[in-house]
Amino acid sequence: EVQLVQSGAEVKKPGESLKISCKGSGYSFTNYWIGWVRQMPGKGLEWMGIIYPGDSDTRYSPSFQGRVTISVDKSINTAYLQWSSLKASDTAMYYCAREYGNYLDYWGQGTLVTVSS
Amino acid sequence: QSALTQPASVSGSPGQSITISCTGTSSDVGSNDLVSWYQQHPGKAPKLMIYEGSKRPSGASNRFSGSKSGNTASLTISGLQAEDEADYYCCSYAGSSTLVFGGGTKLTVL
Repeated sequence: EVQLVQSGAEVKKPGESLKISCKGSGYSFTNYWIGWVRQMPGKGLEWMGIIYPGDSDTRYSPSFQGRVTISVDKSINTAYLQWSSLKASDTAMYYCAREYGNYLDYWGQGTLVTVSS
Repeated sequence: QSALTQPASVSGSPGQSITISCTGTSSDVGSNDLVSWYQQHPGKAPKLMIYEGSKRPSGASNRFSGSKSGNTASLTISGLQAEDEADYYCCSYAGSSTLVFGGGTKLTVL
């Protein structure tokens, strides 16, 4: 069974750094892209970027380029999304999903990130 | 890279059919057959319902179908059921290995 399990909810202050994770299982992790999707409170889905665990090839949406970093540790089947300096506007639910053929077929349960002073 | 345009809300009675539109440009929806549709119930992760414009993944009801004409893709749900009440998002390949979502449509089953 394909599963993506994300790390737990986080509460951070503005300016702090953060790295959240997404662990894949039940399939060949290195052979499928992993994408990240943001959903701000009460808002729609936004595609942030993807990474290919096999060679760490990474692509970003222009809206998120330079604001977040996507990385992977294929030895433990885990992808990451990180911020170096959080803002209140980063408060959102973040989903990882397996991307196959330009669609997202399996999704993680989501990680809620709250940034507040 | 702008979000695709969806109606904010649609509604229908049980047993009826509804269609949700998703309008993009010749750079995304109009340039390929790579539109997907996702269903999201409150507090839950999205679920893939349609991929590559009109294909259904295993586990998705055959009451859901997808189509496209020009720069507009559509999701049709036939035989509307109470459990279909949810938010629906379209998504298209937008070039350079990127995807773009629509703004989402809230479906109400009356």
